[in-house]
Amino acid sequence: KAGVTQTPRYLIKTRGQQVTLSCSPISGHRSVSWYQQTPGQGLQFLFEYFSETQRNKGNFPGRFSGRQFSNSRSEMNVSTLELGDSALYLCASSQRTGKLNSPLHFGNGTRLTVT
Amino acid sequence: AQSVTQLDSQVPVFEEAPVELRCNYSSSVSVYLFWYVQYPNQGLQLLLKYLSGSTLVKSINGFEAEFNKSQTSFHLRKPSVHISDTAEYFCAVTLSNDYKLSFGAGTTVTVRA
Repeated sequence: KAGVTQTPRYLIKTRGQQVTLSCSPISGHRSVSWYQQTPGQGLQFLFEYFSETQRNKGNFPGRFSGRQFSNSRSEMNVSTLELGDSALYLCASSQRTGKLNSPLHFGNGTRLTVT
Repeated sequence: AQSVTQLDSQVPVFEEAPVELRCNYSSSVSVYLFWYVQYPNQGLQLLLKYLSGSTLVKSINGFEAEFNKSQTSFHLRKPSVHISDTAEYFCAVTLSNDYKLSFGAGTTVTVRA
């Protein structure tokens, strides 16, 4: 099976712009979660989608949004970019069987740099 | 809310020596615990998980972790490390039936020959 695929791998944007990141989960996985990783704040949960519905949300401003499509692929969008949004954005997929015994499988991330 | 503390940010160790990475969590309810490893320029890979049952869990590559409820700890150990174990290791916790992981700050393990 192919793993979790995130595109693009690297992205450079300017303050004030918006950006869309894409995540294709492992085939058969219906849950997709997003995490932000920075040297200062570490790994922080952004949101989780399951069956096209947002099931859980972290403590991020409304500039961060996401969605999931019927084929389980997910996108996250960040509007009005700030320098502090520079980070590695990780996507993880899971079968989400009801009990957390199906682990999260992470992609290699999208490295966003805001200048 | 649950939180995770990894007590060491950097752990240098010689090849074939043992290593222990410490992880403590705080939660008022039952939790699930995980160790993830991150190699440079890659995502996270699941190393170990504790959901229930035996408090000692082992991975296929020689790592083991022990859940200690009274001390709210989930320390990771390996009796003999290899150069290839150089990576950053994250301890994570979640409530049961919750897919939101709370991660520790990470421990960078550097294995030297």
